[in-house]
Amino acid sequence: QLQLQESGPGLVKPSETLSLTCTVSGGSISSSSYYWGWIRQPPGKGLEWIGSIYYSGSTYYNPSLKSRVTISVDTSKNQFSLKLSSVTAADTAVYYCARHDWVYSAFDIWGQGTMVTVSS
Amino acid sequence: QSALTQPPSASGSPGQSVTISCTGTSSDVGGYNYVSWYQQHPGKAPKLMIYEVSKRPSGVPDRFSGSKSGNTASLTVSGLQAEDEADYYCSSYAGSNNFVFGTGTKVTVL
Repeated sequence: QLQLQESGPGLVKPSETLSLTCTVSGGSISSSSYYWGWIRQPPGKGLEWIGSIYYSGSTYYNPSLKSRVTISVDTSKNQFSLKLSSVTAADTAVYYCARHDWVYSAFDIWGQGTMVTVSS
Repeated sequence: QSALTQPPSASGSPGQSVTISCTGTSSDVGGYNYVSWYQQHPGKAPKLMIYEVSKRPSGVPDRFSGSKSGNTASLTVSGLQAEDEADYYCSSYAGSNNFVFGTGTKVTVL
């Protein structure tokens, strides 16, 4: 069955760029009807959609984060990635990648999440 | 955009029903039938429970049901079981290729 796995540094310094990768296994990232998304959850708080990407490279971002976010896709590796620039302590969160069913506007398969702490 | 508003907590005894509300605006919940609900147990990833307001993915018990009226969507869990104790989040399409989550509700089984 389809599985997603996040990977990347667990600690990032303030003002630097957070970089994470999501590896998709058990299926192709090039499937039609599906986007691939990033969602984050600060400790003890709610979920926040960061953005989503189609295998063709088409992207949509949360307007509140758009100026700092870049999501890219590598179909040859069945991976998609997140870069968040100029991070502050407010960006400390568990970051999830998920399959984004665009037709139904729902995130139907999630990775286990990875904790990223922004601290010097 | 602002997060959708959910009550911080809800509770019920085993076998009872609990209903969680999710209030937005005409630009999100009220404007589209694209409301979904997620269950999250502590330390775990969210799990999709309801999509398109009232549809259940395969494998989700029919004890979980969703509805919408105006700018407010609701999730009802009937026949509460101990394993239903979790955090629940709603989400809605908000137009212009944008998506918003709710503030979350902690459901306690008494």
